[in-house]
Parts: sequence; C-alpha cells; structure tokens
Amino acid sequence: GAGVSQTPSNKVTEKGKYVELRCDPISGHTALYWYRQSLGQGPEFLIYFQGTGAADDSGLPNDRFFAVRPEGSVSTLKIQRTERGDSAVYLCASSLLAGDTDTQYFGPGTRLTVL
Amino acid sequence: GESVGLHLPTLSVQEGDNSIINCAYSNSASDYFIWYKQESGKGPQFIIDIRSNMDKRQGQRVTVLLNKTVKHLSLQIAATQPGDSAVYFCAEDTGRRALTFGSGTRLQVQP
Repeated sequence: GAGVSQTPSNKVTEKGKYVELRCDPISGHTALYWYRQSLGQGPEFLIYFQGTGAADDSGLPNDRFFAVRPEGSVSTLKIQRTERGDSAVYLCASSLLAGDTDTQYFGPGTRLTVL
Repeated sequence: GESVGLHLPTLSVQEGDNSIINCAYSNSASDYFIWYKQESGKGPQFIIDIRSNMDKRQGQRVTVLLNKTVKHLSLQIAATQPGDSAVYFCAEDTGRRALTFGSGTRLQVQP
C-alpha cells in the first residue's frame, strides 16, 4: 500500500522567505508527526497531531514554525522568515494510534535549503 | 543523494557475519524502544520494537535486547547482507509519542 508521502522532495529558498512543506500520511492513520533531521544527527521531534489538533507541539523551536492538519489527514508545516539554520531534512511520520505499541512510519522527507 | 550521518560511528562487517549495534538511552522513564534503518536519501524505516516489560524480541534475522538496569539497547543482525548497509538509529518513547532518537551508527557490509 501507499506509504507516507511528502512534497516537495527538495526546497531551496532565500533567507527571510516563507515556505510550506506538505505531508500525506498513510490512509487511516490518526496520528501525524513532524521531525527535523540535521546532517549527521538523528531526527528531532517537532510536533504531533492526534486527528486535527496538535497534541504536543513542544518541539517547535520558535514561533516562526507552525503546522496545521485541518481535516485530520494532510498536514502542512509552515516556516516564516526562514533562516540559514532552518536548513535540514523535514520528516513526517504517521501511526494508527492504537494499542500499547504504536509504530511510526516515516516518509522520505523534504530537504530544505535556506540560502 | 546526500549521505546520512557523515561523521557517525561506523561498524564494518563481512557479508555473512553477525552484526551487533549498540545504543545507550537516556531516560529511565522510557517504556517503548524502536530500531530504525535509514538509507541515504530516504526516511527512517522501522525494523523492530520492544516494550520495557520485555528484555528480548526477535524478528526475521534481527533481535533486539533491552537492559533496563544499564539503560542499554542492542540490535543484532544475523547473516548480514550488503542490503543491510545503512545508518541505524535507536529511538525511545516515554509514552508521549515524541520519539527521542540516538545519534546513529553506520553499518558497512563488505562483500
């Protein structure tokens, strides 16, 4: 079946610009997660949605970062006034949110480069 | 595509040998642990998981061992194949569902 998809696969922007990154989770998955991965490091948690609402946004680094999931499926991560330090791979994951163990399945990521 | 983990610890093994990748986790409150495999240019791929009420779990060619006393997790891969070459991450969850990932280990399989 189809996995998690993310668009675009690559995004190059200039410092100060606004960007939107999109995530399509696995069909039927209630939970959706955003992570950020810098070169040479493991992914770092940003935000987690349960349905349409953000259940935990404690990983968002500052108020330039915002994410939405208006219909409980597709999610958009929005970054305002981008900075060079925002350059990273942004990963999306989804899970069924059922049972004691809840496997998160990741998409291929969007590589963001801020010039 | 860009390589994941350019400066990671590297484990180099011969094809057919067994591999053991280790991970020290930080939070004693973590109750769920997962191993992911990440190939260059791709997202992390689930391999195997284990809950804190277990100390061993086996899958196909993989085994995860959990030692809660010393907060240590290991991934054993039997009969390592060239396709196993990747960066491996352990991740822990305290129940918040916000996974905390380790720094990763690069596995290189020599033919």
